[in-house]
Amino acid sequence: EVQLLESGGGLVKPGGSLRLSCVASGFTFGNYDMNWVRQTPGKGLEWVASIGARVNYISYSDSVRGQFTISRDDASNSLYLQMNSLRAEDTAIYYCTRDLSGPFDFWGQGTLVTVSS
Amino acid sequence: QSALTQPPSASGSPGQSVTISCTGTSSDVGAYRYVSWYQQRPGKAPKLVIYKTTTRPSGVPDRFSGSKSGNTASLTVSGLQAEDEADYFCSSYAGDKNYVFGTGTKVTVL
Repeated sequence: EVQLLESGGGLVKPGGSLRLSCVASGFTFGNYDMNWVRQTPGKGLEWVASIGARVNYISYSDSVRGQFTISRDDASNSLYLQMNSLRAEDTAIYYCTRDLSGPFDFWGQGTLVTVSS
Repeated sequence: QSALTQPPSASGSPGQSVTISCTGTSSDVGAYRYVSWYQQRPGKAPKLVIYKTTTRPSGVPDRFSGSKSGNTASLTVSGLQAEDEADYFCSSYAGDKNYVFGTGTKVTVL
C-alpha cells in the first residue's frame, strides 16, 4: 500500500524557516517524480514544486522560486521542502504527492504550516 | 501561472448528472492532454478521479468521465450518489515541468 507521511509543519513567525519532510512507503520511491502541493485553509490547491526521479529536474512555482528548496533522499525514501523567509501568505496545508508523469496519483494527509506573529 | 477557472458550485439530485467545467488557456489545458481531476471530501486529502483528460484510475466508478474541447476540460459525474458530494479540482500540465490547479467546485447532492 502506497503511503506518504508528511511532518515538520507548525507555527512560525514571519521571516522564519521550516523544513518539511515526507516519508514514502509501499513503492520504489527512487523511480518516481515527487511534488509538494499546498492548500490555503478553505481555499484552493496550488502546485509548489517538483523534483524528478534521480533529480533529473527541479521546478518551482513562480510564487516560491528563490524562497523554497525541494530535495530528496532516495536512500531513506524521503522528500523535503526547505522553506525560508516565510510570509503570512505561505500559511497552508502542505501535501506531498507522487507524480505519475502528469497526475498526482497519491497524496499524503498533509502538514499545516502557519505563519503568524 | 494563473489558476484554471471552475464554477464555485454545482448541484444535482441523486441519479442525475452534473458537469463541471475547467477553463484554462492555450498554454495549459489547450496545449496538453494532461488534465487531471481530484475529489476532496471535508478534512481529507485530494483523491485522483480522472487523469490524461479521460482516464479513470483503478477503483474509480465509471460514473466519472472526463472530456476536453479547446481550452476547456470537463468532468461529468453521472448517476449522482450522496458519496459524490465533495470539492472537485482540475489540474493541467503547463509546460516546463509546471502544473496549475483549478479554483475548485463544490458539488452538492440535493
